[in-house]
Amino acid sequence: SQQGEEDPQALSIQEGENATMNCSYKTSINNLQWYRQNSGRGLVHLILIRSNEREKHSGRLRVTLDTSKKSSSLLITASRAADTASYFCATDAASGAGSYQLTFGKGTKLSVIP
Amino acid sequence: KAGVTQTPRYLIKTRGQQVTLSCSPISGHRSVSWYQQTPGQGLQFLFEYFSETQRNKGNFPGRFSGRQFSNSRSEMNVSTLELGDSALYLCASSLGIGSYEQYFGPGTRLTVT
Repeated sequence: SQQGEEDPQALSIQEGENATMNCSYKTSINNLQWYRQNSGRGLVHLILIRSNEREKHSGRLRVTLDTSKKSSSLLITASRAADTASYFCATDAASGAGSYQLTFGKGTKLSVIP
Repeated sequence: KAGVTQTPRYLIKTRGQQVTLSCSPISGHRSVSWYQQTPGQGLQFLFEYFSETQRNKGNFPGRFSGRQFSNSRSEMNVSTLELGDSALYLCASSLGIGSYEQYFGPGTRLTVT
């Protein structure tokens, strides 16, 4: 079953614009991760945010986490054509320190138009 | 450091057959996880192995099995293939202790006819 649900399902923007994707989940988590996938290939890890963190930055990426609303957002600033991909949020719903059993959302398909 | 490798990359099998997929993790990684990706169900967790032991298991029938060797390489096996098993099978490796980022291989595209 899907734990995370991304919104929107698809997003089309012009190069240079910012892209924001949202993720909602159902159960308590230890951490939330964002991954990128290009055309049915393997996933690339982008960023991990722990449940006790509210915001995290990595290069042009900014992730926020609101555990009270069970939601997260991924912001990609100054988008490039190479950012065209599907983006997934993934959560681990296990108790304790953490788990390697990730539950993925259905993803947001981002198209960046040159 | 070499990334996660998966073999074969593409596979076509007939219903009722069985298949074995292989995954070599990043050197030093002791955890290997397997995921199935289909257009309808998305990415679904199959199982995770750490130091040759299955540590987590997803909600898949017993036809899906796996194992991990002492060098951390892993294999997954699907017996009595069904049409619905057609999918991209992704393997991911991780350190396995204290670090939860997973590094994915390119996947094996399995088509069942």
